[in-house]
Amino acid sequence: QSALTQPPSASGSPGQSVTISCTGTSSDVGGYNYVSWYQQHPGKAPKLIIYEVSKRPSGVPDRFSGSKSGNTASLTVSGLQAEDEADYYCNSYAGSNTVVFGGGTKLTVL
Amino acid sequence: QVQLQESGPGLVKPSETLSLTCTVSGGSIGNSYWSWIRQPAGKGLEWIGRVYSSGSSNYNPSLKSRVTMSVDTSNNQFSLKLTSVTAADTAVYYCAKALARQGGFDYWGQGTLVTVSS
Repeated sequence: QSALTQPPSASGSPGQSVTISCTGTSSDVGGYNYVSWYQQHPGKAPKLIIYEVSKRPSGVPDRFSGSKSGNTASLTVSGLQAEDEADYYCNSYAGSNTVVFGGGTKLTVL
Repeated sequence: QVQLQESGPGLVKPSETLSLTCTVSGGSIGNSYWSWIRQPAGKGLEWIGRVYSSGSSNYNPSLKSRVTMSVDTSNNQFSLKLTSVTAADTAVYYCAKALARQGGFDYWGQGTLVTVSS
């Protein structure tokens, strides 16, 4: 069970859109529609922002959206705001009752 | 609103057993999956394993030989034991509730730092 692959960093200016990728295999991301995304600010617990590839929990702005193609899932943040600056992690069901996380992406709002 | 709170020693000696408890409030521990997730300083998240309210459990294959999880429904708590710890087990440990069997963690504890050192 290997960690999912995310770019270490991403950036964008306020108002722009940025997309973060999460690449796995056919045994995890590609095999199930159970990819979730989390936002983590420094010193805080992660917060669920996307689940089951593209669903948003109540209270999460629709600026956050998720998608998947093959073995790669993506998180898009539209209309970037200063408060979006945080670490983002993807997570996928990996079969055999296990889950796996990505290595995380640090999003910088320029 | 479900709330989770981790508790346990913040310092554990090498080769000893790390023991943590997560107390669930604002909801029942029944009929849900409960996980432990850890994060070394400056690094990413690692899923340790989960326990169902019935007591059945599943673990990360890389940690399986050292991990035991259990649930105490009468006190709305679940627990983690990690044996033979080393400095590599130093991390912030989170407990979390899963949306479903396949994951997606919708409620998290605040996290507790456990340091392995003599």
